[in-house]
Amino acid sequence: GAGVSQSPSNKVTEKGKDVELRCDPISGHTALYWYRQSLGQGLEFLIYFQGNSAPDKSGLPSDRFSAERTGGSVSTLTIQRTQQEDSAVYLCASSLARGTGFGEQFFGPGTRLTVL
Amino acid sequence: GEDVEQSLFLSVREGDSSVINCTYTDSSSTYLYWYKQEPGAGLQLLTYIFSNMDMKQDQRLTVLLNKKDKHLSLRIADTQTGDSAIYFCAGHNAGNNRKLIWGLGTSLAVNP
Repeated sequence: GAGVSQSPSNKVTEKGKDVELRCDPISGHTALYWYRQSLGQGLEFLIYFQGNSAPDKSGLPSDRFSAERTGGSVSTLTIQRTQQEDSAVYLCASSLARGTGFGEQFFGPGTRLTVL
Repeated sequence: GEDVEQSLFLSVREGDSSVINCTYTDSSSTYLYWYKQEPGAGLQLLTYIFSNMDMKQDQRLTVLLNKKDKHLSLRIADTQTGDSAIYFCAGHNAGNNRKLIWGLGTSLAVNP
C-alpha cells in the first residue's frame, strides 16, 4: 500500500550547503508534520501543515529552515547553509485529522542528514 | 511548558511482562499515544488511550492512565524478542495544530 514516502533516504552534505528534503504524504491526508530526531534528543516538532498553509511553524529552529507544501500534497523542507548541528533524522508524518478528534499520524521512514 | 518524560532503558527476559512508564505535564492532552520504532523502520502507532479512560487493553498490551498523577504506562504481556524496539510516549493538546509532544523513548531489550 502507499504509505508516507520520503526522499532521499540518506543525505551527506558539506557544512554551508543547502539541502532539500521531500515528503509524499498518504493520498487524501490533509495534515502533514515534520519532526527531527536527533541522537539523545527524542523527536522534536518542526512544522505542521493543514492543506497548503502552515498554522504552526513554532518548531523551526532558525530562519535557515523553511518548508512549503503544494497542492495539498508534497512537502519540501529546506535547510540553508547547513551546520553540523543540523545532522539528524528528519521525519515526515501525515494524518487525516481535522480539529480535535483522534488522528493517527502515519510516519515515513525518514531522511538521515549528515553534515560534515 | 509541555514535557513528556520516560525512562531510557528497560531489559526483560523473554516471556516476562514489560512495563514502560511515562509522565507528562500538559493535562490538556486529549489522547495519549504509544509509538514503536524498530531498528531501521519508521515510527508506528502501537496503541492510544483517550484521556477520560483509566485503562485500555489490546491483546498483549495494556495501557494504564492515572490523570491525577499524569502518569501513563504500557504493559506488554509475555514479551517476545520481536518486541525489542524503542517505545515512545506522546501526547498532544486539543488545539488545532495537533502537534505531538514526545518523550525521549524507552529502549526495550528482550533477552532470550
